[in-house]
Amino acid sequence: NAGVTQTPKFRVLKTGQSMTLLCAQDMNHEYMYWYRQDPGMGLRLIHYSVGEGTTAKGEVPDGYNVSRLKKQNFLLGLESAAPSQTSVYFCASTRGGNEQFFGPGTRLTVL
Amino acid sequence: AQSVTQLDSHVSVSEGTPVLLRCNYSSSYSPSLFWYVQHPNKGLQLLLKYTSAATLVKGINGFEAEFKKSETSFHLTKPSAHMSDAAEYFCVVRKMDSSYKLIFGSGTRLLVRP
Repeated sequence: NAGVTQTPKFRVLKTGQSMTLLCAQDMNHEYMYWYRQDPGMGLRLIHYSVGEGTTAKGEVPDGYNVSRLKKQNFLLGLESAAPSQTSVYFCASTRGGNEQFFGPGTRLTVL
Repeated sequence: AQSVTQLDSHVSVSEGTPVLLRCNYSSSYSPSLFWYVQHPNKGLQLLLKYTSAATLVKGINGFEAEFKKSETSFHLTKPSAHMSDAAEYFCVVRKMDSSYKLIFGSGTRLLVRP
């Protein structure tokens, strides 16, 4: 089992560019989450999904969109990147009620 | 509303001495609490979890935490620090709804001196 994987690992964007981060899990988990991690602030929830075809806003959703077309994949999109979106992005999944399993992260820099 | 507060942003100990990382929680219900560890440039790994069973919870790598309802605390301890314990530690509470969302503390960076 690969667990939770994230693509890409690193990315540099210019302000206004768009991109999509891919999260994939092979554990048949229903729940998936996207977080961002900034220094001194822990992890903050951007969007989450409680099942295939469903998404919901988290704590800091502005500037991001998500899609969960397949159960194993959860995509995070930035339509028009801003320097404030420079961060490390983590994806996580869970069957529900127990621990969340985290991916290795994507380090994004917006110039 | 549920929340966690990590009382120290940095903790520095000498190798072989005890580790104490402090966490207070706020919850209207009996909470589910977790400690996660993040080594430099790595993802997050679960250290231990409390889900209303035994109040003293043992985790991996010799860490343990005690749930104290009267003090609303869930402090993480280890009797003897190793150099490999140097990392960032997050205290986390799970939302008591069907989303299973996690709410993270701001983190404590543990430094271990030789």
